Amino acid sequence: EDKVVQSPLSLVVHEGDTVTLNCSYEVTNFRSLLWYKQEKKAPTFLFMLTSSGIEKKSGRLSSILDKKELFSILNITATQTGDSAVYLCAVERAGTALIFGKGTTLSVSS
Amino acid sequence: DAGVTQSPTHLIKTRGQQVTLRCSPKSGHDTVSWYQQALGQGPQFIFQYYEEEERQRGNFPDRFSGHQFPNYSSELNVNALLLGDSALYLCASSSRGTVSGNTIYFGEGSWLTVV
Repeated sequence: EDKVVQSPLSLVVHEGDTVTLNCSYEVTNFRSLLWYKQEKKAPTFLFMLTSSGIEKKSGRLSSILDKKELFSILNITATQTGDSAVYLCAVERAGTALIFGKGTTLSVSS
Repeated sequence: DAGVTQSPTHLIKTRGQQVTLRCSPKSGHDTVSWYQQALGQGPQFIFQYYEEEERQRGNFPDRFSGHQFPNYSSELNVNALLLGDSALYLCASSSRGTVSGNTIYFGEGSWLTVV
């Protein structure tokens, strides 16, 4: 059975800390891995990863994929209170809908 | 440019009742997918509509049904509501029958509480 597992499920950090969120997967016909940020309602797109070892960056956020070990990490440096959210990892199989993990709830305290 | 719009935003229903949720896709999109997100869980794919037909379906019972209209908007219907149907229902908009990738846009969702 296809599955996407995120860890940790929740964490609390102080402003300025660096955090690493993990996503491992076992999915047939892998096509891409996506990260989303969800603040209360609509998930918003962060990254799409298709190739191993190529880091994607956007400001303080970065992500990388390891297709051999079947995992991805999302890094957030110099965290801010506005980074508090649920971070969702999803895997795209060829021609089918996204398979999501349970998400990691990040709380950044000031 | 209007994004994905869903209605209602919140609703409360009683066990056994029926509910209809609505979604208008982003301008230029013709495909609508529905996801259910229970508290503390990631979204789970319910089904996808493209060209007014159900194209793909996730592991949900027949109590969950849908429809797509000629203007590409869509409805999700749930019959014989159970307490376990309480969740955030997300609509995702895309084009040409795609269901994933970085070209889908999510609506704000409809919070359904079944009591």
